Amino acid sequence: DSGVTQTPKHLITATGQRVTLRCSPRSGDLSVYWYQQSLDQGLQFLIQYYNGEERAKGNILERFSAQQFPDLHSELNLSSLELGDSALYFCASEGARGYTFGSGTRLTVV
Amino acid sequence: AQSVTQLDSHVSVSEGTPVLLRCNYSSSYSPSLFWYVQHPNKGLQLLLKYTSAATLVKGINGFEAEFKKSETSFHLTKPSAHMSDAAEYFCVVSDRRGGSYIPTFGRGTSLIVHP
Repeated sequence: DSGVTQTPKHLITATGQRVTLRCSPRSGDLSVYWYQQSLDQGLQFLIQYYNGEERAKGNILERFSAQQFPDLHSELNLSSLELGDSALYFCASEGARGYTFGSGTRLTVV
Repeated sequence: AQSVTQLDSHVSVSEGTPVLLRCNYSSSYSPSLFWYVQHPNKGLQLLLKYTSAATLVKGINGFEAEFKKSETSFHLTKPSAHMSDAAEYFCVVSDRRGGSYIPTFGRGTSLIVHP
């Protein structure tokens, strides 16, 4: 157990739908990063939050959004889903040792 | 701007032989560098981290990496491969972007270990 918790582990949904992925960082870590892993694009940085505020944006689509709550957990919202959004979504939190990753949420869009 | 290039998409070795996974980076600042491993259907596990304290960094499971600024390289090595080392390995550079440090991943190297 890395200390970073992601739920759900698996998600199957239809095109056009909206889903929410949840991430709880390691205790004491203020920063959360979201990544998308797909076979063709590799691991792509989506967005970073620090203590509730957005800090950096990467290759995040406009259909996707995220937020970090006062208890520091973060949610990634994916809407108007397309087949190409099928991927493994990771979050990571940042501490003194580096970046600790959760086990990911595997999203399948059918 | 930051980028990281893993020079081999696949590396195949026999059990008991040395492992070399190559990584080159480019960075506008002095970067932090990492190696992560991902076993099939698993998350990403930190192997080791370089942050300018020492150029030779020792990690878990017998892995180590050497930072060579002149060559902008951070290659990962292990003296003797074990079957359990078969996995995907990612070189990561964490570089300053605006007010934040963003980890950027290489495309990964798949390590195959033959008995």
